[in-house]
Amino acid sequence: DAGITQSPRHKVTETGTPVTLRCHQTENHRYMYWYRQDPGHGLRLIHYSYGVKDTDKGEVSDGYSVSRSKTEDFLLTLESATSSQTSVYFCATTLEAGNTIYFGEGSWLTVV
Amino acid sequence: AQSVTQLGSHVSVSEGALVLLRCNYSSSVPPYLFWYVQYPNQGLQLLLKYTTGATLVKGINGFEAEFKKSETSFHLTKPSAHMSDAAEYFCAVSSSGAGNQFYFGTGTSLTVIP
Repeated sequence: DAGITQSPRHKVTETGTPVTLRCHQTENHRYMYWYRQDPGHGLRLIHYSYGVKDTDKGEVSDGYSVSRSKTEDFLLTLESATSSQTSVYFCATTLEAGNTIYFGEGSWLTVV
Repeated sequence: AQSVTQLGSHVSVSEGALVLLRCNYSSSVPPYLFWYVQYPNQGLQLLLKYTTGATLVKGINGFEAEFKKSETSFHLTKPSAHMSDAAEYFCAVSSSGAGNQFYFGTGTSLTVIP
């Protein structure tokens, strides 16, 4: 367990509003990831980070941005939420290549 | 580029029967391979992983998987299904490279019939 905390766990927001999800880890893991999970698509990588201020895009990054100003925190921002971004968002971390990736409990986001 | 294909989005087995969940991967470099399980409304938990060494990997709850490089496969098995095995199972591949990205399959939902 990498001590991953996601907040908020549940949120309902309106179309066009910005939303920020927070991931906090206590294990000093280098790598952090944001995934979204949708039926029929499994988990798809949105953005990832390989160090403080080092981030890169995943396969479904459009409409999302991230920031990592501290090792322990990785923020995911939906700049202008759309209904297609209704999903379950998971944060994950790992220490180094080949290591187990650990997941948070998920954040359920509904955009109405 | 890396990718994972899980054959069968839904698998049903009788309690006590063999469980076989299929995973094929694509990777241009030696892969690290993982199986995760997800119970309803929870995050993913590691079942087992292959990094190097022995190709038959044993995990928790009686599950095991065999890395077959020639077939680019990493199928998950359990000799005897239990009701508590009902869950969603995900295969994943990663490698040591920029970002250490993990790629997941679309998942297989396992139903265990009493």
